[in-house]
Amino acid sequence: AQKVTQAQTEISVVEKEDVTLDCVYETRDTTYYLFWYKQPPSGELVFLIRRNSFDEQNEISGRYSWNFQKSTSSFNFTITASQVVDSAVYFCALKGNYGGATNKLIFGTGTLLAVQP
Amino acid sequence: KAGVTQTPRYLIKTRGQQVTLSCSPISGHRSVSWYQQTPGQGLQFLFEYFSETQRNKGNFPGRFSGRQFSNSRSEMNVSTLELGDSALYLCASSLRGENTEAFFGQGTRLTVV
Repeated sequence: AQKVTQAQTEISVVEKEDVTLDCVYETRDTTYYLFWYKQPPSGELVFLIRRNSFDEQNEISGRYSWNFQKSTSSFNFTITASQVVDSAVYFCALKGNYGGATNKLIFGTGTLLAVQP
Repeated sequence: KAGVTQTPRYLIKTRGQQVTLSCSPISGHRSVSWYQQTPGQGLQFLFEYFSETQRNKGNFPGRFSGRQFSNSRSEMNVSTLELGDSALYLCASSLRGENTEAFFGQGTRLTVV
């Protein structure tokens, strides 16, 4: 079965603090893809990053960084020097092989990040 | 390049009615997926269409249906609306293939009264 767990329901930080959002996944597929999306109050899910199961190289993009570890089935997301505009709900998602090409995503329950000025 | 467009943005319907939601994907994207988002169940996959064919379906009753047209635009229909169908319905478009990301529209907020 495919499953994504985001144990942190809500996180509140003060501006300029670093914050890490946790994501743990379960899958039996050997090839799979992991994603992070951001959902601001407007409702649209904004794509942040995609990671393939065969590429464990971590990535940094500006204030964002991602730590993918297959050994612990985790794909954590860190925001450095957080800003008020980072306030949103963040979703981790998994796309497996499902025996064929598909774009079906399994989402975690999301983490609400509130950055206080 | 225009993003994913969903119409209408907001909708209020009465129990028992039916509703049709529309989604226009990003130009060149032929895969369209639909998701339902509620506070209780979170984001759940409804179905996926590619080249006018349903490629995958989530665990929803038959009241939920969809289709895709030759220009890749998609519609989803919910018949005999129930109060529990109140949700944000999100459409996502993708290029074909596993190693691609989905781009979402702003959603249609459906309220059933």
